[in-house]
Amino acid sequence: NAGVTQTPKFRILKIGQSMTLQCAQDMNHNYMYWYRQDPGMGLKLIYYSVGAGITDKGEVPNGYNVSRSTTEDFPLRLELAAPSQTSVYFCASSQQDQPQHFGDGTRLSIL
Amino acid sequence: AQKITQTQPGMFVQEKEAVTLDCTYDTSDQSYGLFWYKQPSSGEMIFLIYQGSYDEQNATEGRYSLNFQKARKSANLVISASQLGDSAMYFCAMTFGGATNKLIFGTGTLLAVQP
Repeated sequence: NAGVTQTPKFRILKIGQSMTLQCAQDMNHNYMYWYRQDPGMGLKLIYYSVGAGITDKGEVPNGYNVSRSTTEDFPLRLELAAPSQTSVYFCASSQQDQPQHFGDGTRLSIL
Repeated sequence: AQKITQTQPGMFVQEKEAVTLDCTYDTSDQSYGLFWYKQPSSGEMIFLIYQGSYDEQNATEGRYSLNFQKARKSANLVISASQLGDSAMYFCAMTFGGATNKLIFGTGTLLAVQP
């Protein structure tokens, strides 16, 4: 049972570079989410999706973009990486009114 | 605006003792869900327990129980018979009225279980 799979696990970017964080789930969940966790803090919602083709902003969406072309995949795109985006990124999925299942996270450093 | 507050940045507990981790929330919604997640030093987020705002009985899952006091807007996590493996960060989180299932997290409590 893979659950929620995030790749890569670690990445270092230079300021101004772009990259895509991948997230895939095999539980046929309609809902998917991207969070970031800064040191010593709780998770903050970046973007979420309630189904294929539907995405919406969370609490901290600036500097990020998402797409949801399939039920399984929910990639997060960083354009023009900035030091403030250094964080641990978590992808999660769920059905409505059910607990969210999290991936193992992607640790991203921007130097 | 919805808000989650965890007032204990860190706590110690002796092995085999019970510990209560505090969580209070602020919302005017009538329908919401309360969750607790555990984050060990390895970094993954592990779901522990859930309580719906309309559930009358406090939720229990093994050694975890949720002390839900709706009038006081609190949802404290009780861990009985603490084990060394319980040492981790614990986050209280909520979903609020609506169909999006979005989670809002507290800032967490770091629990250290001492032998």
